[in-house]
Formats: sequence, C-alpha cells, structure tokens
Amino acid sequence: RKEVEQDPGPFNVPEGATVAFNCTYSNSASQSFFWYRQDCRKEPKLLMSVYSSGNEDGRFTAQLNRASQYISLLIRDSKLSDSATYLCVVNGHTNAGKSTFGDGTTLTVKP
Amino acid sequence: DVKVTQSSRYLVKRTGEKVFLECVQDMDHENMFWYRQDPGLGLRLIYFSYDVKMKEKGDIPEGYSVSREKKERFSLILESASTNQTSMYLCASSPLRTASHSVQDTQYFGPGTRLTVL
Repeated sequence: RKEVEQDPGPFNVPEGATVAFNCTYSNSASQSFFWYRQDCRKEPKLLMSVYSSGNEDGRFTAQLNRASQYISLLIRDSKLSDSATYLCVVNGHTNAGKSTFGDGTTLTVKP
Repeated sequence: DVKVTQSSRYLVKRTGEKVFLECVQDMDHENMFWYRQDPGLGLRLIYFSYDVKMKEKGDIPEGYSVSREKKERFSLILESASTNQTSMYLCASSPLRTASHSVQDTQYFGPGTRLTVL
C-alpha cells in the first residue's frame, strides 16, 4: 500500500462545475499536509496548505480529517485554467521536512 | 520570490557516462531534495540534505550519489548512467522546520531537467 493515495483520474468536468479530490495517508504521525498543482511539463507549485480546521482560498477549500487520515480538495466554479495535475503531499515528523507525494490526480476543465 | 535553478532543462547522455545535475537555490534554505518523476510512478525521492555536507537516502538512492559542499548548491551524480535513469529530475528546497510553523515545510521546485540516457 502506498503511503499517500489519491483518487485515480482523470477528472473531466465542464466549466463552472464543482469537483472534489480525495487523498488518504497511512502514517498517523504525519505532521503537515499540502496540495500542490503541477501544470503539464512544469514543476509542482504549492496550491495551499491544509490545516486541521480546514481552510479556504477563493474557490479552493481544503479539509483534513486526522482521525480518518484523509485530506480533500474542493474546487468550486471550475475554470479552464484549473486544468492541471493536483498532488497531495504529506510531511513526516522529522526536522528535515521530508515529503511524500501522491501520484496526482489530473483535472481537465472543458468549455 | 524563492528561486530554484537547475543547470539544464534537457540533457542527453550515453550509457556509462558520469552525469552531474546541479541545483542552486537563493533563499538560504537548509533543506534540499532531489526527486525523479516518471509517468505512473509519481514523484520519488532520491536523496535529501538538511545541512551542508549532510545527506540522507530517500526512497530510490541506488545508482545515484549527491554532494552538498555549499548551502545553496545540491548536486546529483549518476556515476554510470543507465537507460532506466531516463527521467525528469526535479530539485527542491525548503526552510528548516520549526515546531509551530508547518507551513515552512513548503517545498520550492526548480524547473526540472529532462534526462535521456541512450
């Protein structure tokens, strides 16, 4: 079993749709959680951190459920520019900040 | 803005050659990482370093070594390149974690080097 597992893609949605991605992690000692976005042929970039209380950034909402070891990302009112691969990232408890990346979920938003 | 640069965007080498991939960051970050990314396998950690001259094996260190002589520079070395090392190589850096600021775990990536070994 992988340490970080994401919904298999791809997700193909029309503009304006709401889409949700899920991610589970196996290490209960994990300390911090993130969603990264990776455009085609580009490097991953931080989209948002995920806090225990949940957090929102515009059309994007991230949730963390430590008891179930589950992270989610909700995108409302999808735009064409949201098309990308979304990576779930989990960090352990050591000071080196080592991250474990999920394989990513690909989203395509169509007109 | 944090900037992470990698020495080449594209590289073609022959089997058996020694290959150096260089990564430089300008934000005085303590942690630096080397990953490879392959279709269907995601990002896999090769090596990381949390201080000058310190290094730790990641999940797939075989066939690779690293060097961190200066804080801003982290080099990945393929001692004898093989065709199964054809991949996208991504370098990243992050600041030293503090107890209450997990957001500092954010990793900043370079643009990647697409290495082809013939």
